[in-house]
Amino acid sequence: QQPVQSPQAVILREGEDAVINCSSSKALYSVHWYRQKHGEAPVFLMILLKGGEQKGHEKISASFNEKKQQSSLYLTASQLSYSGTYFCGTEIGATNKLIFGTGTLLAVQP
Amino acid sequence: EPEVTQTPSHQVTQMGQEVILRCVPISNHLYFYWYRQILGQKVEFLVSFYNNEISEKSEIFDDQFSVERPDGSNFTLKIRSTKLEDSAMYFCAGSQGIGEQFFGPGTRLTVL
Repeated sequence: QQPVQSPQAVILREGEDAVINCSSSKALYSVHWYRQKHGEAPVFLMILLKGGEQKGHEKISASFNEKKQQSSLYLTASQLSYSGTYFCGTEIGATNKLIFGTGTLLAVQP
Repeated sequence: EPEVTQTPSHQVTQMGQEVILRCVPISNHLYFYWYRQILGQKVEFLVSFYNNEISEKSEIFDDQFSVERPDGSNFTLKIRSTKLEDSAMYFCAGSQGIGEQFFGPGTRLTVL
C-alpha cells in the first residue's frame, strides 16, 4: 500500500530542473506532495485530485496519471531553498488518511 | 498566519510510563491527525479525528494509543505504556477538509 518514490536522492546545481515520481499499486483518490527540511515539519506543496483538479504553489507543478496511479512533481529552475526531502502522500478514498512514500532527498548546490 | 502548535518540543520518558502529547490546531480546522516519524524514516499515519471521534486509524495505533479533544481547542495523543520503539517525532496536523494538511513542529519523544 505504501507508494514508491523515485529517485531516492538527487543532487542538482542551482537553476537545474528535477522530476520526482510517486507510484502506487492502489487506485488513488488524491496525491499530496510535501517538502521536509531537516529537523522541521513537512510543508504542503501540492495536491492532485482524481478528476484533474490541482491545488498548490505557483513555482511547482505536478501531474497525476490516474490510469497508472502515478504522480510526478516538477521542480524547475531549482533554488538552494528547494533542498530537502520530498514526500508524496497518497489517499485511497476520500478519507484524509495519507500514506507517505519513503521520500526523495533533494540537494541543490550553488 | 495561524499555525499548529505542539507541546512539549521534546519529551524524555522511561519505558512503561504514560505520556501525553499536546497540540493546538488552527481554529477553523475540522479534521485532526497524528503522524509519527522515526528518525531518518518516512512519515507514518497514526490516526485521524473528526467530529469528536476517530475516523481512521492505522495498524500502529493499537490499544496503547488514544486521542482526545477535551476542550474544543487542544488535541492530545496519549501513549499508555511507552516502549523503546515508540521513540520518534510525533506530528499533529489539521485540515479544513479534503486538501492541505497543516503540520505542527512536532514533539520528539525519547523512550529510555
